[in-house]
Amino acid sequence: AQSVTQLDSQVPVFEEAPVELRCNYSSSVSVYLFWYVQYPNQGLQLLLKYLSGSTLVKGINGFEAEFNKSQTSFHLRKPSVHISDTAEYFCAVNAGGTSYGKLTFGQGTILTVHP
Amino acid sequence: GAGVSQSPSNKVTEKGKDVELRCDPISGHTALYWYRQSLGQGLEFLIYFQGNSAPDKSGLPSDRFSAERTGGSVSTLTIQRTQQEDSAVYLCASSLGGTNTDTQYFGPGTRLTVL
Repeated sequence: AQSVTQLDSQVPVFEEAPVELRCNYSSSVSVYLFWYVQYPNQGLQLLLKYLSGSTLVKGINGFEAEFNKSQTSFHLRKPSVHISDTAEYFCAVNAGGTSYGKLTFGQGTILTVHP
Repeated sequence: GAGVSQSPSNKVTEKGKDVELRCDPISGHTALYWYRQSLGQGLEFLIYFQGNSAPDKSGLPSDRFSAERTGGSVSTLTIQRTQQEDSAVYLCASSLGGTNTDTQYFGPGTRLTVL
C-alpha cells in the first residue's frame, strides 16, 4: 500500500520569498505523483503531475516540483510567492496498475503568504 | 465549460437520519470519484465509478455508505443512519477516462454536519 507524508502542516512565508513544500511517499511499485491546491471554500485544483520522463515538472502559477526516486520525494517549489498563493496544498500518489485513478493524499500543507 | 457540481453545498442533519449527496460530473467524463475530507483523517478515497459500475468500493467506511451512478452521469452518495463521525466535506471528482494518469477535476464539496 502506498502512503504520502507532507512534512510541514503549516508554512508561513513573506511575499516574494521562495517556498518549498515537502512531500515524501512510500510505495512498493512505480507511482504517479500529483500536487493539488485548495483555495478557501473551493474544490481541489491540479497544480502539476509527474507521470514519467523528466524529473522536473512545471505546473500552473509558476510552481514546479522535482521527482526524486532515490529519496522517494516530490517537493513543490516556487521561486517567488504572491499573496494569492495562500491556500492548502496536497500531495497525492497513484500506484498505477489496477488502482485505476484512486489517489492517496497527504495531510496537506497550509501555505500562508504575508505581505 | 461547466465544472463538477455538487449539491447541497451544506447539509445539517440529526444523528440517525439518512442523507443523499449529489454529484454532477463534467459532461463526457466516464470516471467519477468520491472522497471525504475530515479534520482527523484528511482526504480519503471512498469509491470509484467507471460508467455506471463501481470497480473499486474499497474506501467506503461501513455498510451505511452506498453510492450509485445512473446513465453514466450523475452520482448519489447515500449515508444511512448518520453518525457524528460522518461529519466531513464530501468531495466528488471526475476524469475523462479513469486511467491512473488522468487529471481529476474536483467539485466544491458538500459539507455535512451531523448533530
